[in-house]
Amino acid sequence: GQNIDQPTEMTATEGAIVQINCTYQTSGFNGLFWYQQHAGEAPTFLSYNVLDGLEEKGRFSSFLSRSKGYSYLLLKELQMKDSASYLCAVRDYPPNSGAGSYQLTFGKGTKLSVIP
Amino acid sequence: NAGVTQTPKFQVLKTGQSMTLQCAQDMNHEYMSWYRQDPGMGLRLIHYSVGAGITDQGEVPNGYNVSRSTTEDFPLRLLSAAPSQTSVYFCASSRDDRATSYNSPLHFGNGTRLTVT
Repeated sequence: GQNIDQPTEMTATEGAIVQINCTYQTSGFNGLFWYQQHAGEAPTFLSYNVLDGLEEKGRFSSFLSRSKGYSYLLLKELQMKDSASYLCAVRDYPPNSGAGSYQLTFGKGTKLSVIP
Repeated sequence: NAGVTQTPKFQVLKTGQSMTLQCAQDMNHEYMSWYRQDPGMGLRLIHYSVGAGITDQGEVPNGYNVSRSTTEDFPLRLLSAAPSQTSVYFCASSRDDRATSYNSPLHFGNGTRLTVT
């Protein structure tokens, strides 16, 4: 099975930088995704890593180390609208599933509060 | 382009009733899945499908059935609703990029908020 851990809550100041960590244990790893979810809304895609290293998209960056089972999401120049939950999700191929099947398993999410 | 459409948005059921949550996507995505989201539990996978005629169980499949007769539709059936099934249900789809290992994120519907009394 999968085990994905991320902090439950974080608080940061507007304009600052915050790093949200995610650790995972899985077999058949095939990529790690970060999603943003505002309260009462559906998750929306932020970033994807399948190889080690840093992926940068504007104010958001995501890092992956497959050997350590570790990823982080870095948010720069925080804005009030960044207050949301951030979900780490790992894609893998379950050993006993149907041919070619793969699934995306989510961590419990990190609720980020941005304060003035 | 509507994306992923879920109906209904809200539903209240009595224990023992049955119902079907509808999910349709117009992006020709091969992969579709159902999640439930509960406070403190995050998103948990119920069932998923990598194409028409193929379904598989996720982490929490008990009490739910699915079928995939077309690429577009992936309904979730509750045969006998229980209070433990009170939750927000999300349907999501993506391209099947196994051959190319291309970035293919899940696209989520807006969710169905189900209460079982």
